[in-house]
Amino acid sequence: GAVVSQHPSRVICKSGTSVKIECRSLDFQATTMFWYRQFPKQSLMLMATSNEGSKATYEQGVEKDKFLINHASLTLSTLTVTSAHPEDSSFYICSARDFGGGANEQFFGPGTRLTVL
Amino acid sequence: AQTVTQSQPEMSVQEAETVTLSCTYDTSESDYYLFWYKQPPSRQMILVIRQEAYKQQNATENRFSVNFQKAAKSFSLKISDSQLGDAAMYFCAPNAGGKLIFGQGTELSVKP
Repeated sequence: GAVVSQHPSRVICKSGTSVKIECRSLDFQATTMFWYRQFPKQSLMLMATSNEGSKATYEQGVEKDKFLINHASLTLSTLTVTSAHPEDSSFYICSARDFGGGANEQFFGPGTRLTVL
Repeated sequence: AQTVTQSQPEMSVQEAETVTLSCTYDTSESDYYLFWYKQPPSRQMILVIRQEAYKQQNATENRFSVNFQKAAKSFSLKISDSQLGDAAMYFCAPNAGGKLIFGQGTELSVKP
């Protein structure tokens, strides 16, 4: 149980285009999902917290108009990178929290590698 | 602000030996959880072990155990009988206020 999927696993796009990444909790309901960004050989940096049915909470320094987050259902959150630029190239990871499981544990998706040309 | 420090960027261990990864953190919360996650080359985050801060007993999961010193805000991970599959990046992550704050990571290599 507690499986989180991400789609796509890898995406290459041209500078100036927008890219949408989906995060799904497959076998549990996730009222809260999280989006992280990870550069090579670095740690995970929390970008935003996504709560079902409400606006996302962004961490300091993260542009909310650049990284649009929608959490429309208890099993799906999406991250849209708008007007992508090469510096947005990174590994994006989502996680979902299962309150029913206790311990505030987060279950992670496999990540999405974004390359902006 | 919460901070997490993993002072060992890289560690190496001989197969079947024991290794300890260190982690210190700072939080103003009184009740929280602490986690160690493993990230192999596939980059999938895998939960290794969790500790509840209000429990004095150190958590153990098979070959993995922690040394949790709440007053010192220290949370080290011990891996016993190291296996080749243990080679990965390990992240310490306290969870307070509903968020995970990750340390810089320790890259563990296992020598056959």
